[in-house]
Amino acid sequence: KNQVEQSPQSLIILEGKNCTLQCNYTVSPFSNLRWYKQDTGRGPVSLTIMTFSENTKSNRRYTATLDADTKQSSLHITASQLSDSASYICVVTPDLTFGKGTMLLVSP
Amino acid sequence: KAGVTQTPRYLIKTRGQQVTLSCSPISGHRSVSWYQQTPGQGLQFLFEYFSETQRNKGNFPGRFSGRQFSNSRSEMNVSTLELGDSALYLCASSLSPLAGGHNEQFFGPGTRLTVL
Repeated sequence: KNQVEQSPQSLIILEGKNCTLQCNYTVSPFSNLRWYKQDTGRGPVSLTIMTFSENTKSNRRYTATLDADTKQSSLHITASQLSDSASYICVVTPDLTFGKGTMLLVSP
Repeated sequence: KAGVTQTPRYLIKTRGQQVTLSCSPISGHRSVSWYQQTPGQGLQFLFEYFSETQRNKGNFPGRFSGRQFSNSRSEMNVSTLELGDSALYLCASSLSPLAGGHNEQFFGPGTRLTVL
């Protein structure tokens, strides 16, 4: 069964600190892996899209990595800001299997 | 450019009723996907439409159906509502189909459905 597991389930960090969120998948076939940020009460917003051949991709303070051999991805947030408080969701296509997300709270 | 819009934003129905939700994609986007989001299950894919044709379907019962019009606007219908259908229903649009594509997907704000 195709699955996407995200860890940790929730995380609290101090403003200015870095953090890394994990996404492990057992989905096959694989087209790409997407990370989304979802603020409370709003729809998800795309952060990165990673294909099989891409190892690292950055979007401002967000850096995603992909290891297609071990089927693992991570999202690293640098110098966190209060506005980073949100749920971060990983999804693998084409099956569109979603992880349940990591709830991040950035504390002042 | 206007974003993805969904109507209504909030809806309360009772068990057994049916409901229709509407989604207007970003201008020029021809792919519209629908998702159900609940606290327990997270986001789950319902179906995707491209050029008025259903391209892909998730694992939901036949009570969930959809369609897409020639202007790319899409509707989702749920018949014989159950308590478990209470959820946030999100739609998203992109330029081309998701399968095999790498186009960014833009989500709407969602419709919060409560079934009593």
